[in-house]
Amino acid sequence: EAAVTQSPRSKVAVTGGKVTLSCHQTNNHDYMYWYRQDTGHGLRLIHYSYVADSTEKGDIPDGYKASRPSQENFSLILELASLSQTAVYFCASGGQSTGQLYFGEGSKLTVL
Amino acid sequence: GEQVEQRPPHLSVREGDSAVITCTYTDPNSYYFFWYKQEPGASLQLLMKVFSSTEINEGQGFTVLLNKKDKRLSLNLTAAHPGDSAAYFCAVRTITGNTGKLIFGLGTTLQVQP
Repeated sequence: EAAVTQSPRSKVAVTGGKVTLSCHQTNNHDYMYWYRQDTGHGLRLIHYSYVADSTEKGDIPDGYKASRPSQENFSLILELASLSQTAVYFCASGGQSTGQLYFGEGSKLTVL
Repeated sequence: GEQVEQRPPHLSVREGDSAVITCTYTDPNSYYFFWYKQEPGASLQLLMKVFSSTEINEGQGFTVLLNKKDKRLSLNLTAAHPGDSAAYFCAVRTITGNTGKLIFGLGTTLQVQP
């Protein structure tokens, strides 16, 4: 049973449009993360959160916002989607003690 | 901040051969190390987790070596088979800043030829 679920799994958006990617975890983890994966760039951290109602900037936060309304839910928001934001986005959750991250299935975003 | 370099970016071996992927990191405070496997179109699956207190870890068909002196982490698939074909990522966590985030290498695409 998937413990980190993302929606939508795939989305096509228009340039300038708003996109919201949602993530839900049932691991009871404090930490949640949004990573972006591009060919040749591995995974890069966009935003993360270690407690509800608080988010932190990762390594590439420009053009993205994040929201953590509860421990279980973490959203990534693209207010004005751009072509360069075409990528696969992964949400992950993790406990502080183990360091291990548990990944969702990914959300493929195509911006046209 | 921490930087992780992973080599090689692409690796092609024949079935039964060994395959070695290496990562080097910069932060001496790194203490958790991970190898993830990603099959095409799929998510990342944890292959192995290594703590800084251990140097050799063996899994099913692979060995992970950690050299803290050289700040080097390696994944050795001892007898590769076509099912091992995938992308492999190393990831490193440090205590610096205590953010809990992982820094990933750029990945290695492994192709195992029958």
